Formats: sequence, structure tokens, C-alpha cells
Amino acid sequence: EVQLVESGGVVVQPGGSLRLSCAASGFTFHDYSMHWVRQAPGKGLEWVSLITWDGGSTYYADSVKGRFTISRDNSKNSLYLQMNSLRTEDTALYYCTKASSSGWLNFDYWGQGTLVTVSS
Amino acid sequence: DIHMTQSPSSLSASVGDRVTITCRASQSISSYLNWYQQKPGKAPKLLIYAASSLQSGVPSRFSGSGSGTDFTLTISSLQPEDFATYYCQQSYITPPYTFGQGTKLEIK
Repeated sequence: EVQLVESGGVVVQPGGSLRLSCAASGFTFHDYSMHWVRQAPGKGLEWVSLITWDGGSTYYADSVKGRFTISRDNSKNSLYLQMNSLRTEDTALYYCTKASSSGWLNFDYWGQGTLVTVSS
Repeated sequence: DIHMTQSPSSLSASVGDRVTITCRASQSISSYLNWYQQKPGKAPKLLIYAASSLQSGVPSRFSGSGSGTDFTLTISSLQPEDFATYYCQQSYITPPYTFGQGTKLEIK
């Protein structure tokens, strides 16, 4: 059974930093690209970042570019999101998602999310 | 960036109704269109990928169609468990893989 378990979400002050983690199990982690998607309270879904299977390529939404860094450790089946210079608008539930194996990109598995609150 | 627009933003319907939600892309995305269902307090669930392919385990009352810029999600006969928010997402070539704003399907 595929499982994605996020952790690391807390309350942090504006300008602060945070690292989110996602522990993956039930699939061959190093074979798949992984993504972070976020959802502000009461709002829609926003794609945040992508890392390829080997960590060789990373991509970011313009809203987080230069502040967030996605990484992975395939030896630990783990995905990370380093979040720096946090803003109030970064407050959201952050989901770790797995890219499917089909030739058509989609997110076939999601974690339960970890809540990041940026507030003074 | 490709912008995705869903309509309507909200919809009231009854059990047994046939419901259609539309999604329009700001430029052609071929068939790189996914549909997700999200229930309150839960993570989104993939329903349809590649515009019309049904994800494994998803009931056949869900179907998707379209290509280019215009897409639809149809629920042929609404069931009580289908009341949720639905999102389209484009996954055309390079990021960002943008979502529509969502359509909230409520019980009439």
C-alpha cells in the first residue's frame, strides 16, 4: 500500500524558516518524480514544486521561487521542502504527492498534509 | 503560465442527477488534463487523467472528455458520496501544473 506521510508543519513567524518532510512507503521511491502541492485555508489547490526521480531537476511555482528548495533522499525514501523567508501568504496545508507511472502526468497518491501557519 | 478556469464555481444537484463541470485552459494542452475530487478534511483523489482515462477503482459513473482547451467532467447519476469539490489540473509539458479554482458540488 502506498503511503505518504508529511511532517514538520508548525506555527512560524514571518521571515522564518521551516523544513517539511514526507516519508514514502509502498512503492519504489527512487523511480518516481515527486511534487508538493499546497492549499490555503478555505482555498483551492496550488502546485508548489517538482523534483525528478534522481533529484537532477527541480521546478518551482513563481510564488515560492528563490525561497523554497525541494530535495529528496532516495536512501531514506524521503522528500523534503526547505522553506525560507516565509510570508503570511505561505500559510497552507502542504501535501506531498507522487507522480504516476503513466505517460500522462498526474498525482495518483497524496499524503494527508501538514499545516504550516505563518503568523506573528 | 497556463490558466485554468472551471465553471460553475458551485452547483446544487440532487441524488440521481446528471452533472457536468467544465474546465477551460488558456492555451491548448492537448489531453493533459486531470480531474480530482476533494471531500472536506481529506486529500484530493485522482478521478480522471489524460482527459478521459478513468483512474483505477473510480466508479464508472464518472467520465471525462475534451481536448485542446475545453474539457468536461460528467457524473452520470449522482450518489450521496459524490458531494465534494472537484478540481481540474493541467499537466502539459513543463511546470507549473496549474489547477482550476474548484467546483463545489452541493446537495439540493
